[in-house]
Amino acid sequence: DAGVIQSPRHEVTEMGQEVTLRCKPISGHDYLFWYRQTMMRGLELLIYFNNNVPIDDSGMPEDRFSAKMPNASFSTLKIQPSEPRDSAVYFCASSPGHPNTEAFFGQGTRLTVV
Amino acid sequence: GENVEQHPSTLSVQEGDSAVIKCTYSDSASNYFPWYKQELGKGPQLIIDIRSNVGEKKDQRIAVTLNKTAKHFSLHITETQPEDSAVYFCAAQGDNSGYALNFGKGTSLLVTP
Repeated sequence: DAGVIQSPRHEVTEMGQEVTLRCKPISGHDYLFWYRQTMMRGLELLIYFNNNVPIDDSGMPEDRFSAKMPNASFSTLKIQPSEPRDSAVYFCASSPGHPNTEAFFGQGTRLTVV
Repeated sequence: GENVEQHPSTLSVQEGDSAVIKCTYSDSASNYFPWYKQELGKGPQLIIDIRSNVGEKKDQRIAVTLNKTAKHFSLHITETQPEDSAVYFCAAQGDNSGYALNFGKGTSLLVTP
């Protein structure tokens, strides 16, 4: 398996624009997680899905952020409108769930909002 | 929710020395404690994990210890090598958080030749 695949690897956008980050989890994994990494706050959980259903979105910072998982092999994280403080590295991870709960991370998307 | 504290934030050791990173957690229901290594420009990668029914686990130069009573766990790297230089994250997971990991803030380890 190629692992968790994220796209794009880098994104630079202007404030106010819509940004869509994409993730393909490892085949057969039931859980998908979106994390945000910044120097100040470290790795923060934004939202996670189980079998394509959102389970906990309490980490989503505000209504400008939304995430979907239309099928088992694809998820998106959308920011609309984007702001400079959204600049961070966004990671997608997947996990097969119990009993093996290791999370496998993608390479991340580095987002810069100017 | 779960709160994971990690210390130190930076650590510099000479090649061949040992490195120790410590974490504490708040939720007594947490039962899975992985450690991740993140190299520059890459996503975190699991290096070792421990479950609550075990007090210690070792894998070659890496070991993890867990004290459930005190709610802390530690990563020990012996005979450090320059390629061990990276950011290390501890995490905790338990029933209250589903299968989501709660991460510490990370430790930047530098191993100098």
